[in-house]
Amino acid sequence: QVQLVESGGGVVQPGGSLRLSCAASGFTFSSYGMHWVRQAPGKGLEWVAFIRYDGSNKYYADSVKGRFTISRDNSKNTLYLQMNSLRAEDTAVYYCAKDRTVTDEGVFDYWGQGTLVTVSS
Amino acid sequence: DIQMTQSPSSLSASVGDRVTITCQASQDISNYLNWYQQKPGKAPKLLIYDASNLETGVPSRFSGSGSGTDFTFTISSLQPEDIATYYCQQYDNLPPAFGGGTKVEIK
Repeated sequence: QVQLVESGGGVVQPGGSLRLSCAASGFTFSSYGMHWVRQAPGKGLEWVAFIRYDGSNKYYADSVKGRFTISRDNSKNTLYLQMNSLRAEDTAVYYCAKDRTVTDEGVFDYWGQGTLVTVSS
Repeated sequence: DIQMTQSPSSLSASVGDRVTITCQASQDISNYLNWYQQKPGKAPKLLIYDASNLETGVPSRFSGSGSGTDFTFTISSLQPEDIATYYCQQYDNLPPAFGGGTKVEIK
């Protein structure tokens, strides 16, 4: 069955960096686009970034553009989110999510359990 | 960017009631609209994709309709396990955008 397992969250000071990972299994990882979506405490869902199945295209929310980098290693079935210049407003649970089909970019049919990132001094 | 306006932000209904949530897009998104359920402390779960298609394994009491800018999500007979927050989400254009969510509670 499809599994997405995030790791790498934690507490970091403002201006610091963190790298999140999402280990995928149960499907052909290299065939699907992948996303990061976050949720601040008590708030709604916010899309963060997307990477195509082969890494050829990447898209970012304006709120993270220039600070976050999405990447993937299809040989390791792993998705990454490198987060630099972190701000208090980046505090959230970060979920990785899989596209439902190889062509539907933005239908999130499987989600990980999430990893909490707290930006605080 | 496309904005999604969801209403109401919360509702309280009795078991067995019909529950309806609406979602409005700031521009025409055709049928590129999904609905998710999120229970406390859990990841969201896809219920409806492309406005009206039920995801595999989702109970038939859930349904969706609409196209263009106006969409509706319905629970035909509310069950205790349906207590959750529901989100609409468009994917016609990047960035994908979520509505603000509707918290459903039992009266």
